[in-house]
Amino acid sequence: EVQLVESGGGLVQPGGSLRLSCAASGFTFSSYWMHWVRQAPGKGLVWVSRINPDGTTTTYADSVKGRFTISRDNAKNTLYLQMNSLRVEDTAVYHCVKIGTPDTWFESWGQGSLVAVSS
Amino acid sequence: QSALTQPRSVSGSPGQSVTISCTGTSSDVGGYNRVSWYQQHPGKVPKVMIYDVSKWPSGVPDRFSGSKSGNTASLTISGLQAEDEADYYCCSYAGSYIPWVFGGGTKLTVL
Repeated sequence: EVQLVESGGGLVQPGGSLRLSCAASGFTFSSYWMHWVRQAPGKGLVWVSRINPDGTTTTYADSVKGRFTISRDNAKNTLYLQMNSLRVEDTAVYHCVKIGTPDTWFESWGQGSLVAVSS
Repeated sequence: QSALTQPRSVSGSPGQSVTISCTGTSSDVGGYNRVSWYQQHPGKVPKVMIYDVSKWPSGVPDRFSGSKSGNTASLTISGLQAEDEADYYCCSYAGSYIPWVFGGGTKLTVL
């Protein structure tokens, strides 16, 4: 069974930083693209970032480009999201998501980690 | 990349059918057959119901069906049941620069 468990969220002031982690199990982590998708309180889903299986290709939404960095450690089966220069509008639950097969849909979602940016 | 356009809410009675639309552009919905639909109950994570416009993942009942015409995709739920009441989101591939875009979500109420 696929399991994705996020950690690292919390309350941070505007301009601050946080690093989210996602521990993956139940599948061959190193074979799949992985994504972060966020959901602000009471709002819809927004795609944030993706990384290819070997970590050499990354893509970002315009709203986070230059501030967020996605990475992975395949030896530890862990996905990361380094978030810098955080803004109030970054407040959301951040979900770690495994792509499906074919790689055209989001198959498995973690429960999410809440990031709250407020002064 | 703008979000795909969905109606804010739809409703139907048990046993009836409802259709949720998802309108994009030729750069996303219209350009690729990579539209998926997600069901989200309050406090739960999204669950895929349809992928590649009209395909069913394992375990999803065929009461849920998908289609696409031009820049608009649709999710139809037939034989509405109380447990279908949830938020529904469409999602489309949009190219290599910003690869995925979601709709704003539709709240389905079963009357």
